[in-house]
Amino acid sequence: EDQVTQSPEALRLQEGESSSLNCSYTVSGLRGLFWYRQDPGKGPEFLFTLYSAGEEKEKERLKATLTKKESFLHITAPKPEDSATYLCAVHYGGYQKVTFGIGTKLQVIP
Amino acid sequence: DTGVSQNPRHKITKRGQNVTFRCDPISEHNRLYWYRQTLGQGPEFLTYFQNEAQLEKSRLLSDRFSAERPKGSFSTLEIQRTEQGDSAMYLCASSASSYEQYFGPGTRLTVT
Repeated sequence: EDQVTQSPEALRLQEGESSSLNCSYTVSGLRGLFWYRQDPGKGPEFLFTLYSAGEEKEKERLKATLTKKESFLHITAPKPEDSATYLCAVHYGGYQKVTFGIGTKLQVIP
Repeated sequence: DTGVSQNPRHKITKRGQNVTFRCDPISEHNRLYWYRQTLGQGPEFLTYFQNEAQLEKSRLLSDRFSAERPKGSFSTLEIQRTEQGDSAMYLCASSASSYEQYFGPGTRLTVT
């Protein structure tokens, strides 16, 4: 069964404490993997697209990497404003849709 | 603001009533998507338009749901005979050819 699994479901960090979020996928014919940030009551905000294993993208304190089976979102020296739910999604096969994971809820404590 | 807009932002309705939501995509984007999101879950795909053609529909989209995109611009999602299980955030997204989807703020539906 095609699946997108994110871990952990929730993560609490002290300000400045770096960590990584994981997104593993079991789909055939990956065409793109996306990371989004979602604040409560708002729509997801696009962060990154990764297309092939070995690819990396960076934006401020965030860095996304991709292997053949999973992606990581590394957060370096997080700040309280990084608190949000981070969603991973994959575009695969002949579908036009993307399939989302349930997200990792990140809380950064001052 | 040139982002995706959705109206209304909140809708409270009684069970059995019909509701309609509107989405205005980013103007140069020809692809438009509708998703449904419940608390603690990721967005679930409902349907996809390329220009005015509805090309993909989820099995989640029962016959009470219908979506249109006349003239390939804005889109509407209608839910007939609403049920309490329809309570959710309804999200619209648009994209150009890269499949990077840009989301609107969503419409929060509460069915009482």
